[in-house]
Amino acid sequence: SQQGEEDPQALSIQEGENATMNCSYKTSINNLQWYRQNSGRGLVHLILIRSNEREKHSGRLRVTLDTSKKSSSLLITASRAADTASYFCATEMDSSYKLIFGSGTRLLVRP
Amino acid sequence: DSGVTQTPKHLITATGQRVTLRCSPRSGDLSVYWYQQSLDQGLQFLIQYYNGEERAKGNILERFSAQQFPDLHSELNLSSLELGDSALYFCASSGTSGGAQQFFGPGTRLTVL
Repeated sequence: SQQGEEDPQALSIQEGENATMNCSYKTSINNLQWYRQNSGRGLVHLILIRSNEREKHSGRLRVTLDTSKKSSSLLITASRAADTASYFCATEMDSSYKLIFGSGTRLLVRP
Repeated sequence: DSGVTQTPKHLITATGQRVTLRCSPRSGDLSVYWYQQSLDQGLQFLIQYYNGEERAKGNILERFSAQQFPDLHSELNLSSLELGDSALYFCASSGTSGGAQQFFGPGTRLTVL
């Protein structure tokens, strides 16, 4: 079974609005990463947050991590049509180097 | 462009056949990871190599095998193919063995008929 589960599965917003996606996981982690995938293409790394960090920013992206609740959120501010994609969280567990991906959130930003 | 290349882009084959997918990591990256993406299973980690040695293994079927060569390119071999093996296969690379972002290739779309 997958380590991470994302919520919501799909999100549709208007351009300019903020988009928030949540990720929950089951076991302790080294880090949690967010990736974007455009329609069947390769994944693009967005941000990595380590287990001892609580918040991280990159441009219009803000990621939070709550290890006590085993959850993370990705906020995209002032969304653009070009942000339309699937977003995945991925966790690297303590005892392993492998990334376990969640089921993803499909984001549609309407112009 | 991530710097990771994968060949071929598309592959159509029949059940029972064997195929080889090839991946060239970013220049200088020692780790190569293989993932399978399908509609029903999502993105699944298959296997990782670091500088020629197997480092981590996921739910990789016994019919699948991989290796990383001295020049750091990697191959994923899929044999006795079944309809359910149809998927996108991604290769990713990173400079270290864990703890860092991974750079993904464009993928190989495998269709088993």
